[in-house]
Amino acid sequence: DTAVSQTPKYLVTQMGNDKSIKCEQNLGHDTMYWYKQDSKKFLKIMFSYNNKELIINETVPNRFSPKSPDKAHLNLHINSLELGDSAVYFCASSQDPRVGSRLNEQFFGPGTRLTVL
Amino acid sequence: EDQVTQSPEALRLQEGESSSLNCSYTVSGLRGLFWYRQDPGKGPEFLFTLYSAGEEKEKERLKATLTKKESFLHITAPKPEDSATYLCAVQEYRGGGADGLTFGKGTHLIIQP
Repeated sequence: DTAVSQTPKYLVTQMGNDKSIKCEQNLGHDTMYWYKQDSKKFLKIMFSYNNKELIINETVPNRFSPKSPDKAHLNLHINSLELGDSAVYFCASSQDPRVGSRLNEQFFGPGTRLTVL
Repeated sequence: EDQVTQSPEALRLQEGESSSLNCSYTVSGLRGLFWYRQDPGKGPEFLFTLYSAGEEKEKERLKATLTKKESFLHITAPKPEDSATYLCAVQEYRGGGADGLTFGKGTHLIIQP
């Protein structure tokens, strides 16, 4: 069973379009994340979220918004896509690191390669 | 200023040739330091978490160690299947909220048969 899954794996779209990437985890975790990996393979946190709080990296444009229908899902919506949004987007999940447990390693999905033309 | 710096950027070894990868970090309060392996076209795969200076963890040919300023990933007698990009990441204590990891740029390791 896949622990963290993302759909689609590849997404090709035109500038100005709105798109969504879905993420699901079956690990029973209560904290989920979105990361962006640029063309130089550098991974950077975009959002972290649990059922109480959304933490947004201040460098993320407000065209990006996470939506969580339930604890097992955190989808990423992107409005008015730009060329610079082309990257690989990774979803991840973990136990809530604030709980104090040392078991807060994050498990990553397979990634969604977004290409904006 | 980078919080996490990995070196070298790339490393090519012969099969069986042991070596170490370095990760130096600057954070005010370390919640944990993480090592991941990433293969081309895939997501990062969790390897180790280290929480306090002096801690060590091992898994097959890999051993991770932690000091107050850096971590090492030691690879003993590597095999070609150990070829991958190895990523180091830190998580800081902050005022509250679930925090993401701050990653280094990775070390691209190639093991030649």
